[in-house]
Amino acid sequence: EIVLTQSPATLSLSPGERATLSCRASQSVSSYLAWYQQKPGQAPRLLIYDASNRATGIPARFSGSGSGTDFTLTISSLEPEDFAVYYCQQRSNWPPGYTFGQGTKLEIK
Amino acid sequence: EVQLVQSGAEVKKPGESLKISCKGSGYSFTSYWIGWVRQMPGKGLEWMGIIYPGDSDTRYSPSFQGQVTISADKSISTAYLQWSSLKASDTAMYYCARQEANSYYFDYWGQGTLVTVSS
Repeated sequence: EIVLTQSPATLSLSPGERATLSCRASQSVSSYLAWYQQKPGQAPRLLIYDASNRATGIPARFSGSGSGTDFTLTISSLEPEDFAVYYCQQRSNWPPGYTFGQGTKLEIK
Repeated sequence: EVQLVQSGAEVKKPGESLKISCKGSGYSFTSYWIGWVRQMPGKGLEWMGIIYPGDSDTRYSPSFQGQVTISADKSISTAYLQWSSLKASDTAMYYCARQEANSYYFDYWGQGTLVTVSS
């Protein structure tokens, strides 16, 4: 079973700063890695798929990189609305299905 | 506009049954998978299972196999998640989400259904 480990658990930054969030897979997932943003009281929203492709309507300040086991979500300059919890997700061949990382909470410093 | 609209919040007692729904609109309901995701209070996201309404092909996470049933009625573009006997530990927010065929990510999500199980 592939496990996704996100770090840090909590990231405290100020608006305008750059955020770098990490997601590490216990074995290679190629580029089949997605990122989601979840704000309090809201459903998750797809940000990035296939490691580096922005979903429809996602601002250019969000970017994804990586392949294999190490992935990064970068927010180039934080806006107030970016403070939320971020999850990574991948497809697992065995057991078949999908797994999420445990999440990184991005909070205002 | 693609939308997934879920049924409203539920309060149930342990041992009761429940079926919640997720209605898709703005796209071809039979051409996309619908997945269900659990989020327990203050916790992360857990994939439960997925159904392809076009042919009712259904897959479950080993963690949820036998605990829930996923179904769909393509005539009304609605997917369902049901329990035959709820437990207090089923208290959570449940999301449905759309997945393109041959993909793995979920591009549109429902607003969530809060299920509270308490005696």
